[in-house]
Amino acid sequence: GENVEQHPSTLSVQEGDSAVIKCTYSDSASNYFPWYKQELGKRPQLIIDIRSNVGEKKDQRIAVTLNKTAKHFSLHITETQPEDSAVYFCAATTRTGRRALTFGSGTRLQVQP
Amino acid sequence: EAGVAQSPRYKIIEKRQSVAFWCNPISGHATLYWYQQILGQGPKLLIQFQNNGVVDDSQLPKDRFSAERLKGVDSTLKIQPAKLEDSAVYLCASSLGTGEGYTFGSGTRLTVV
Repeated sequence: GENVEQHPSTLSVQEGDSAVIKCTYSDSASNYFPWYKQELGKRPQLIIDIRSNVGEKKDQRIAVTLNKTAKHFSLHITETQPEDSAVYFCAATTRTGRRALTFGSGTRLQVQP
Repeated sequence: EAGVAQSPRYKIIEKRQSVAFWCNPISGHATLYWYQQILGQGPKLLIQFQNNGVVDDSQLPKDRFSAERLKGVDSTLKIQPAKLEDSAVYLCASSLGTGEGYTFGSGTRLTVV
């Protein structure tokens, strides 16, 4: 099955700095890669996703890049704000198959004001 | 649209007792997932339903866990008997198809003492 590794497990940045979270996956058939944000005690919320036919996708301060050859993808948050503090999870699956999302272990991002 | 409903929100039981969780997915969502999220880890798939059929239960500890989705709508997840290591948040999610467009419920936080 799919295995998703996520790094770092914790990340502390100053407000206004950029944050980068990296994930690798094992199954070359995976072609859909979403990112979820989970605030303390809340449900995971989808913040951005990317499909394997594109290498980069951007939504305001958030961007995701994908390198299919190396089987890794990354989340980039620019101009971080205290409200970005949360746990972020990457995930992977195959869109055309029937496989559920496999999640990474999470990154706790702390933005210091 | 209404979200994914889960109950109860919290549950504390003693080891060896039984417990059941309930999930009502978004109307029309054919696929329903139960994930286990242990503190500090990413969600781990327990079982995936497509309508009322099981698609993947390979990671469900079947000696103690069971789940059903009898009419292809609501689902229940049961643990009997519970162990200390079952302490976790149990997340239900649903999607129209498979893999994409997950909506998570608020989860049930189970503490086994």
